[in-house]
Amino acid sequence: GAVVSQHPSWVICKSGTSVKIECRSLDFQATTMFWYRQFPKQSLMLMATSNEGSKATYEQGVEKDKFLINHASLTLSTLTVTSAHPEDSSFYICSARGYGSKTDTQYFGPGTRLTVL
Amino acid sequence: LAKTTQPISMDSYEGQEVNITCSHNNIATNDYITWYQQFPSQGPRFIIQGYKTKVTNEVASLFIPADRKSSTLSLPRVSLSDTAVYYCLVGDYTGGFKTIFGAGTRLFVKA
Repeated sequence: GAVVSQHPSWVICKSGTSVKIECRSLDFQATTMFWYRQFPKQSLMLMATSNEGSKATYEQGVEKDKFLINHASLTLSTLTVTSAHPEDSSFYICSARGYGSKTDTQYFGPGTRLTVL
Repeated sequence: LAKTTQPISMDSYEGQEVNITCSHNNIATNDYITWYQQFPSQGPRFIIQGYKTKVTNEVASLFIPADRKSSTLSLPRVSLSDTAVYYCLVGDYTGGFKTIFGAGTRLFVKA
């Protein structure tokens, strides 16, 4: 149980285009989903927190107009990188916190490798 | 949010027990302690979680002293496949929850 999927697992795009990454909780309902970014040899950096049906809360320094997050249902959240540039190339990871979980453990997706040319 | 401090890296040999300690001096009453494992180009994987004393599951044990200002992840008889980065997280899971990752500990298991 507690499986989180991401799609796509990797994507290459041209500078200036937009890319959408999906995060799904497959066997549980997630009241809260999180989006992280990880650069090589570095730790995960929290970008934003989203609750189902609400606007996402972005961390300081993360542009909300550039990284659009939608959490339309209890099993799906999407991250859209708008007008991507090479500096947005990174490993994007989502996680989900289960609804009604006693300890609210986060379960992470496998990540999406974004390369912007 | 409680800040965590872990050793940057550790080396071990196959078959040995590995103990990774995490300091979290500012842990709050509602905070749980959670450990994750991450392999390159993969998302973190949940290992174990605890609040106090000792927790054990099929892959690890977690020791938490009475003051809860530190915790120790114990991996019994590591193998080469346990080479990974291990993160200790401390968080308030009762609303307003969010997780801040520290630098983690890079464990390298040698043959």
